[in-house]
Parts: sequence; structure tokens; C-alpha cells
Amino acid sequence: NAGVTQTPKFRILKIGQSMTLQCTQDMNHNYMYWYRQDPGMGLKLIYYSVGAGITDKGEVPNGYNVSRSTTEDFPLRLELAAPSQTSVYFCASSYSPGRGNYNEQFFGPGTRLTVL
Amino acid sequence: DAKTTQPTSMDCAEGRAANLPCNHSTISGNEYVYWYRQIHSQGPQYIIHGLKNNETNEMASLIITEDRKSSTLILPHATLRDTAVYYCIAEFSSGSARQLTFGSGTQLTVLP
Repeated sequence: NAGVTQTPKFRILKIGQSMTLQCTQDMNHNYMYWYRQDPGMGLKLIYYSVGAGITDKGEVPNGYNVSRSTTEDFPLRLELAAPSQTSVYFCASSYSPGRGNYNEQFFGPGTRLTVL
Repeated sequence: DAKTTQPTSMDCAEGRAANLPCNHSTISGNEYVYWYRQIHSQGPQYIIHGLKNNETNEMASLIITEDRKSSTLILPHATLRDTAVYYCIAEFSSGSARQLTFGSGTQLTVLP
């Protein structure tokens, strides 16, 4: 299993540009998450999905959009990039917490995004 | 959701036990305590979790006080590869999912 993969690893955007961060998992997990991590800080939840076709906002959703058309993929879209979105973005996946499963989230390697 | 409080940084000698404390005085009865760690900007990695009882796995032990207001993560024989940021998290329910809130964590440095 490749686990959780993210592309690209690095990206520099100009203000106002748009891009999609890709995330794929091959563990057949229902739950997927997008976090951002600013320097020296913990992770903040942007969006999450509990299954294909279902998404919900996390703590910091403004400026982002997501979709979940398949179990495997959970892309994150930035429409109008701003310097405040300079961060490291982590995608994660897990089995459905509860029902005997615990909240072990598997993380990808991250995408380092700089907006200039 | 309950807040957790951890020391900003700690040092530990290689081969010794590393004891990482966490306060979660506002935790509710059904909120689990989770520990994750993040090595050098990689994605975080799950370590262990617990509700009331002490827990042990191949990576660490988790000691939770009887009143559940604090816990301690124990790495029994720390190695240099255990140098990382350790996050203590109180899981909570919001929307359609049980979520984890990662604070700033404790930077553990294992010294040779």
C-alpha cells in the first residue's frame, strides 16, 4: 500500500492564482481530512469528508473548496490564492471513528505552498 | 471541545524514559485522549489513545489520572529517532465526525 499520497510536494503561486492540491489514499478509508500547518504551529482542520459525496467544513474553511467524488480522492481547491494561505497542507485518512474503530489518522507527506 | 496544555519543550537522555505531561482539565466524559507525534515536518503519526484506563502498546504507555484531568505519555527507552513534536489531543464530536485538534505540542529532544 502506498498509503496517503499528495501532489505536488512544493508549489509557488502568485496572488490571485488558483490551484488544486491532490490527495489519494489506497486504504479504502471512508474519512478524509485536509489540514494546514503554519510555521511553529499545530495543524488546523480545513475540510473533512465522511464518505464519497459528503464533505463538511472544519475550523478554517474560508478560501478553500473540496470535493469527494470517489473514496480514494479528496482534492483541495484554492480559487484566489492569498499570502495568508502560505502554509504546509496535510491530507489524512482514517476508518470511520467509532463502531469499534479509533481515530487513527494516516497522514500524507504534505504540500508546501508559498503565495507571493 | 476540551483544550489541552503541554510544555513547549523537553529534553531527555538517550536510553532513559521520556515522560511527557498533558493537562486537559475540561475534558468531558466521552472524549478520548490521543497522542500523535510529528518528526521534522513530516505528517503526524498516531502513537496511542485512551479514555479512562492506562494503555500500553509497542510504542508507548499512556497514564491517565483517575479524574481524567491530566495524562502522561511515556516512551520507555527514548532513542534519537524519538526527537519530534508530541501532540496531546482531546478528541471531540463536531458536525458529522469525531475530530482531533492539534495544539502546538511539546518539542521533545533526545540527547546522546
